[in-house]
Amino acid sequence: QKEVEQNSGPLSVPEGAIASLNCTYSDRGSQSFFWYRQYSGKSPELIMFIYSNGDKEDGRFTAQLNKASQYVSLLIRDSQPSDSATYLCAVTNTGGFKTIFGAGTRLFVKA
Amino acid sequence: DVKVTQSSRYLVKRTGEKVFLECVQDMDHENMFWYRQDPGLGLRLIYFSYDVKMKEKGDIPEGYSVSREKKERFSLILESASTNQTSMYLCASSLTTRPAQHFGDGTRLSIL
Repeated sequence: QKEVEQNSGPLSVPEGAIASLNCTYSDRGSQSFFWYRQYSGKSPELIMFIYSNGDKEDGRFTAQLNKASQYVSLLIRDSQPSDSATYLCAVTNTGGFKTIFGAGTRLFVKA
Repeated sequence: DVKVTQSSRYLVKRTGEKVFLECVQDMDHENMFWYRQDPGLGLRLIYFSYDVKMKEKGDIPEGYSVSREKKERFSLILESASTNQTSMYLCASSLTTRPAQHFGDGTRLSIL
């Protein structure tokens, strides 16, 4: 089992819809959770982080964390074609010294 | 604006060569990182440094070494390049050790 798992996609959604990106992790003691966006041919860009159970909203983005289920998600409301990218989930392990990245989910927003 | 600059976007080297990848940041960050990114495997940490002359091994340090002689510069060295080191290499810097916050544009390295 990979330490951080994401569906590779591609996930295709129509413009204006909600895109839901999911990530599961294996270390129950993980402390911090991050979402990066990576456009094709570009480097990753940190867009969201969450530390506590529940939801965290920032503009059109909402990160959701459920530590009991070892599950973190990213919702993108009113998806735009410019949101088309690969989204990487990253998890910092117990002790907080190691960050593991998932392989990423490709999102495609159709105009 | 924050800037992490990697010396080359594309690099082609031969098996057995010693390869240097350079990275410079202008944010006065203590922490710098080297990752490689391969399809289906995500980002994997090779080494990181939390201060000048300090370094820590990441998940896949074998075949690599690093140098941090100045705060702004972090170099990755492939001691004797092999074909399985063909990859995208990303440098990053951060105010905190977890996780890397600002990435360079990457170096696509091909070992022939």
